Amino acid sequence: DGGITQSPKYLFRKEGQNVTLSCEQNLNHDAMYWYRQDPGQGLRLIYYSQIVNDFQKGDIAEGYSVSREKKESFPLTVTSAQKNPTAFYLCASSILGQGEKAQHFGDGTRLSIL
Amino acid sequence: GEDVEQSLFLSVREGDSSVINCTYTDSSSTYLYWYKQEPGAGLQLLTYIFSNMDMKQDQRLTVLLNKKDKHLSLRIADTQTGDSAIYFCAVPNTGGFKTIFGAGTRLFVKA
Repeated sequence: DGGITQSPKYLFRKEGQNVTLSCEQNLNHDAMYWYRQDPGQGLRLIYYSQIVNDFQKGDIAEGYSVSREKKESFPLTVTSAQKNPTAFYLCASSILGQGEKAQHFGDGTRLSIL
Repeated sequence: GEDVEQSLFLSVREGDSSVINCTYTDSSSTYLYWYKQEPGAGLQLLTYIFSNMDMKQDQRLTVLLNKKDKHLSLRIADTQTGDSAIYFCAVPNTGGFKTIFGAGTRLFVKA
Protein backbone atom coordinates (compact mmCIF):
# COMPACT_ATOMS: atom_id res chain seq x y z
CA ASP A 1 0.00 0.00 0.00
CA GLY A 2 1.17 3.55 -0.69
CA GLY A 3 1.98 5.76 2.23
CA ILE A 4 4.52 7.64 4.30
CA THR A 5 6.85 5.88 6.71
CA GLN A 6 8.57 7.71 9.54
CA SER A 7 11.23 6.13 11.70
CA PRO A 8 12.01 5.68 14.46
CA LYS A 9 8.75 6.06 16.36
CA TYR A 10 10.63 7.17 19.50
CA LEU A 11 14.05 8.85 19.64
CA PHE A 12 16.17 10.12 22.49
CA ARG A 13 18.83 12.78 22.15
CA LYS A 14 21.75 13.52 24.43
CA GLU A 15 23.14 17.01 24.99
CA GLY A 16 25.23 18.22 22.07
CA GLN A 17 24.11 15.40 19.79
CA ASN A 18 22.63 15.65 16.29
CA VAL A 19 19.88 13.17 15.47
CA THR A 20 18.23 12.36 12.14
CA LEU A 21 14.58 11.49 11.61
CA SER A 22 13.71 9.45 8.56
CA CYS A 23 10.76 10.05 6.21
CA GLU A 24 10.08 7.91 3.13
CA GLN A 25 7.07 8.03 0.80
CA ASN A 26 5.98 5.80 -2.07
CA LEU A 27 3.09 7.99 -3.21
CA ASN A 28 5.13 9.56 -6.02
CA HIS A 29 4.46 12.99 -4.49
CA ASP A 30 6.67 15.90 -5.48
CA ALA A 31 6.26 17.95 -2.30
CA MET A 32 7.35 16.92 1.18
CA TYR A 33 7.06 18.72 4.52
CA TRP A 34 8.30 18.55 8.10
CA TYR A 35 6.19 19.84 10.98
CA ARG A 36 6.73 20.13 14.70
CA GLN A 37 3.81 19.59 17.09
CA ASP A 38 3.96 20.63 20.75
CA PRO A 39 1.27 19.66 23.29
CA GLY A 40 -1.87 21.71 22.87
CA GLN A 41 -0.52 23.48 19.82
CA GLY A 42 -1.06 23.19 16.12
CA LEU A 43 1.49 22.21 13.53
CA ARG A 44 4.44 24.47 12.84
CA LEU A 45 6.27 24.13 9.53
CA ILE A 46 10.01 23.46 9.78
CA TYR A 47 11.06 22.86 6.15
CA TYR A 48 9.41 21.94 2.88
CA SER A 49 10.59 20.73 -0.50
CA GLN A 50 8.84 20.90 -3.85
CA ILE A 51 11.45 19.11 -5.93
CA VAL A 52 14.57 17.00 -5.55
CA ASN A 53 17.69 18.95 -4.47
CA ASP A 54 15.63 21.98 -3.45
CA PHE A 55 14.01 22.94 -0.14
CA GLN A 56 12.81 26.05 1.68
CA LYS A 57 12.75 27.12 5.30
CA GLY A 58 9.43 27.13 7.05
CA ASP A 59 8.45 29.15 10.09
CA ILE A 60 10.79 27.52 12.64
CA ALA A 61 13.83 26.26 10.68
CA GLU A 62 16.52 27.35 13.16
CA GLY A 63 18.35 24.38 14.65
CA TYR A 64 17.14 21.99 11.94
CA SER A 65 18.50 20.85 8.57
CA VAL A 66 17.11 18.72 5.73
CA SER A 67 18.16 17.15 2.45
CA ARG A 68 16.21 15.97 -0.60
CA GLU A 69 18.51 13.77 -2.65
CA LYS A 70 15.73 11.44 -3.76
CA LYS A 71 12.07 12.10 -4.50
CA GLU A 72 11.01 9.46 -1.99
CA SER A 73 13.11 10.62 0.96
CA PHE A 74 13.23 13.81 3.07
CA PRO A 75 15.27 13.26 6.26
CA LEU A 76 15.29 15.87 9.03
CA THR A 77 18.32 16.45 11.25
CA VAL A 78 17.76 18.02 14.65
CA THR A 79 21.07 19.67 15.46
CA SER A 80 22.58 20.54 18.84
CA ALA A 81 21.71 24.17 18.05
CA GLN A 82 18.03 23.33 18.64
CA LYS A 83 17.81 23.98 22.37
CA ASN A 84 14.28 22.73 22.89
CA PRO A 85 13.89 19.72 20.60
CA THR A 86 11.39 17.73 22.67
CA ALA A 87 8.30 17.45 20.46
CA PHE A 88 6.33 15.25 18.10
CA TYR A 89 7.64 15.50 14.53
CA LEU A 90 5.39 14.86 11.55
CA CYS A 91 6.36 14.36 7.93
CA ALA A 92 3.87 14.88 5.12
CA SER A 93 3.75 14.80 1.33
CA SER A 94 1.45 16.08 -1.37
CA ILE A 95 1.11 16.55 -5.10
CA LEU A 96 1.79 19.97 -6.61
CA GLY A 97 -0.15 22.02 -9.11
CA GLN A 98 -3.80 22.92 -9.36
CA GLY A 99 -6.61 21.00 -7.79
CA GLU A 100 -7.04 19.13 -4.58
CA LYS A 101 -3.67 18.52 -2.97
CA ALA A 102 -4.25 17.38 0.57
CA GLN A 103 -1.18 16.52 2.58
CA HIS A 104 -0.70 12.90 3.59
CA PHE A 105 1.00 12.31 6.94
CA GLY A 106 3.25 9.71 8.50
CA ASP A 107 2.68 8.40 12.04
CA GLY A 108 5.26 10.72 13.56
CA THR A 109 8.45 10.51 15.60
CA ARG A 110 8.48 11.51 19.26
CA LEU A 111 11.82 13.06 20.22
CA SER A 112 12.86 13.43 23.85
CA ILE A 113 15.95 14.69 25.65
CA LEU A 114 17.97 12.32 27.84
CA GLY B 1 -0.33 37.13 8.20
CA GLU B 2 -2.45 34.13 7.41
CA ASP B 3 -4.23 32.59 10.36
CA VAL B 4 -6.63 29.75 11.12
CA GLU B 5 -8.47 29.73 14.44
CA GLN B 6 -10.40 27.00 16.21
CA SER B 7 -11.77 26.54 19.70
CA LEU B 8 -9.59 24.16 21.69
CA PHE B 9 -12.12 21.83 23.34
CA LEU B 10 -15.55 20.36 22.70
CA SER B 11 -17.39 17.84 24.86
CA VAL B 12 -20.51 15.97 23.69
CA ARG B 13 -22.55 12.96 24.75
CA GLU B 14 -22.47 9.80 22.67
CA GLY B 15 -25.22 9.91 20.05
CA ASP B 16 -25.37 13.72 19.93
CA SER B 17 -24.08 15.83 17.03
CA SER B 18 -20.71 17.59 17.29
CA VAL B 19 -19.99 20.86 15.53
CA ILE B 20 -16.40 22.04 15.24
CA ASN B 21 -15.86 25.57 13.98
CA CYS B 22 -12.96 27.25 12.20
CA THR B 23 -12.30 30.78 10.96
CA TYR B 24 -9.53 31.74 8.55
CA THR B 25 -8.05 34.86 7.02
CA ASP B 26 -6.74 33.78 3.58
CA SER B 27 -9.72 33.62 1.26
CA SER B 28 -7.91 32.59 -1.92
CA SER B 29 -7.77 28.88 -1.13
CA THR B 30 -9.45 26.58 -3.62
CA TYR B 31 -9.84 23.68 -1.19
CA LEU B 32 -10.24 23.63 2.59
CA TYR B 33 -9.52 20.54 4.66
CA TRP B 34 -10.43 18.74 7.88
CA TYR B 35 -7.99 16.29 9.45
CA LYS B 36 -8.35 13.96 12.45
CA GLN B 37 -5.52 13.02 14.81
CA GLU B 38 -5.80 10.14 17.26
CA PRO B 39 -3.37 9.88 20.23
CA GLY B 40 0.21 9.22 19.21
CA ALA B 41 -0.59 9.14 15.49
CA GLY B 42 -0.25 11.37 12.47
CA LEU B 43 -3.02 13.39 10.86
CA GLN B 44 -5.58 11.57 8.77
CA LEU B 45 -7.47 13.42 6.04
CA LEU B 46 -11.17 13.32 6.94
CA THR B 47 -12.77 15.38 4.23
CA TYR B 48 -12.39 18.53 2.18
CA ILE B 49 -14.58 21.06 0.43
CA PHE B 50 -14.10 22.96 -2.80
CA SER B 51 -14.36 26.70 -2.31
CA ASN B 52 -17.30 27.14 -4.70
CA MET B 53 -19.45 24.81 -2.56
CA ASP B 54 -21.51 25.76 0.49
CA MET B 55 -21.93 22.26 1.83
CA LYS B 56 -20.54 18.78 1.42
CA GLN B 57 -21.94 15.65 3.05
CA ASP B 58 -20.03 12.41 3.46
CA GLN B 59 -21.85 9.80 5.56
CA ARG B 60 -21.87 11.16 9.15
CA LEU B 61 -19.77 14.19 8.22
CA THR B 62 -21.15 17.50 6.95
CA VAL B 63 -18.88 20.39 6.03
CA LEU B 64 -20.33 23.90 5.79
CA LEU B 65 -18.45 26.77 4.18
CA ASN B 66 -19.38 30.45 4.52
CA LYS B 67 -16.89 32.26 2.28
CA LYS B 68 -18.24 35.69 3.07
CA ASP B 69 -17.55 35.23 6.78
CA LYS B 70 -14.48 32.99 6.18
CA HIS B 71 -16.04 30.34 8.40
CA LEU B 72 -15.76 26.58 8.03
CA SER B 73 -17.49 23.99 10.19
CA LEU B 74 -17.47 20.22 10.56
CA ARG B 75 -20.56 18.47 11.86
CA ILE B 76 -20.34 14.87 13.03
CA ALA B 77 -23.74 13.22 13.34
CA ASP B 78 -24.41 10.48 15.94
CA THR B 79 -21.03 11.03 17.59
CA GLN B 80 -19.38 7.86 18.87
CA THR B 81 -16.63 7.31 21.46
CA GLY B 82 -14.34 6.39 18.57
CA ASP B 83 -14.70 9.96 17.30
CA SER B 84 -12.73 11.23 20.32
CA ALA B 85 -9.66 12.85 18.78
CA ILE B 86 -8.18 16.20 17.78
CA TYR B 87 -9.67 17.78 14.66
CA PHE B 88 -7.66 20.23 12.56
CA CYS B 89 -8.93 22.75 10.07
CA ALA B 90 -6.36 23.38 7.30
CA VAL B 91 -6.26 26.10 4.66
CA PRO B 92 -3.60 26.36 1.91
CA ASN B 93 -2.00 29.79 1.69
CA THR B 94 -2.20 32.12 -1.30
CA GLY B 95 0.81 30.62 -3.05
CA GLY B 96 -0.54 27.14 -2.44
CA PHE B 97 2.81 25.70 -1.36
CA LYS B 98 2.10 25.87 2.34
CA THR B 99 -0.92 24.87 4.38
CA ILE B 100 -1.90 26.74 7.52
CA PHE B 101 -3.27 24.48 10.25
CA GLY B 102 -5.44 25.55 13.13
CA ALA B 103 -4.38 24.62 16.68
CA GLY B 104 -6.87 21.74 16.66
CA THR B 105 -10.11 21.08 18.55
CA ARG B 106 -9.98 18.26 21.06
CA LEU B 107 -13.30 16.39 20.97
CA PHE B 108 -14.32 14.46 24.08
CA VAL B 109 -17.21 12.03 23.71
CA LYS B 110 -18.92 10.95 26.94
CA ALA B 111 -20.60 7.56 27.01
